[in-house]
Amino acid sequence: DMKVTQMPRYLIKRMGENVLLECGQDMSHETMYWYRQDPGLGLQLIYISYDVDSNSEGDIPKGYRVSRKKREHFSLILDSAKTNQTSVYFCASSLYRGRDNQAPLFGEGTRLSVL
Amino acid sequence: QQKVQQSPESLSVPEGGMASLNCTSSDRNFQYFWWYRQHSGEGPKALMSIFSDGDKKEGRFTAHLNKASLHVSLHIRDSQPSDSALYFCAASEDAQGLTFGLGTRVSVFP
Repeated sequence: DMKVTQMPRYLIKRMGENVLLECGQDMSHETMYWYRQDPGLGLQLIYISYDVDSNSEGDIPKGYRVSRKKREHFSLILDSAKTNQTSVYFCASSLYRGRDNQAPLFGEGTRLSVL
Repeated sequence: QQKVQQSPESLSVPEGGMASLNCTSSDRNFQYFWWYRQHSGEGPKALMSIFSDGDKKEGRFTAHLNKASLHVSLHIRDSQPSDSALYFCAASEDAQGLTFGLGTRVSVFP
């Protein structure tokens, strides 16, 4: 069953703490993404990863970094979290087929609150 | 400026009726378009893609693309209560990194 798994589903952190959000997929998808979703702002792309150690900034990378050491695993790291990073974070993955790319498959999200 | 704009912001449709959603891009580099649906508390799920001018039909859903005007629409025929959700239009230059609109909230009432 094709699935993107995000851990944890809910997380509460204090301002200044480090945050690690993890994402996994078992479909051998080359491309993986991190988005955040906020009311009134839609889904915004933070980072895209084309494969292991091949990561590119998205539209809002400031305050975030990523790590992809295995194809099936993509992490989002917030060093010294800020209150404005309170959001729902979604990971997604897709199989690269050029023009015939399938739509990215999204996980269920991690709801992060930074107090 | 939002590169992908959706209208209306919200839409109420009677059960069995037709829902029509619109999406316009301001970036001529966008060549690939998708429609996603998101139910409350869940991640977005892809409904359908459209990459060529014209209509594409999948079940009760029909998408239409006009590349010259960068306009995409989604029509939901015979709307069901389970169609109540947030619908996103997404676009991409290279069929990989997607840019999303702000969404249209559809409510289907009995």
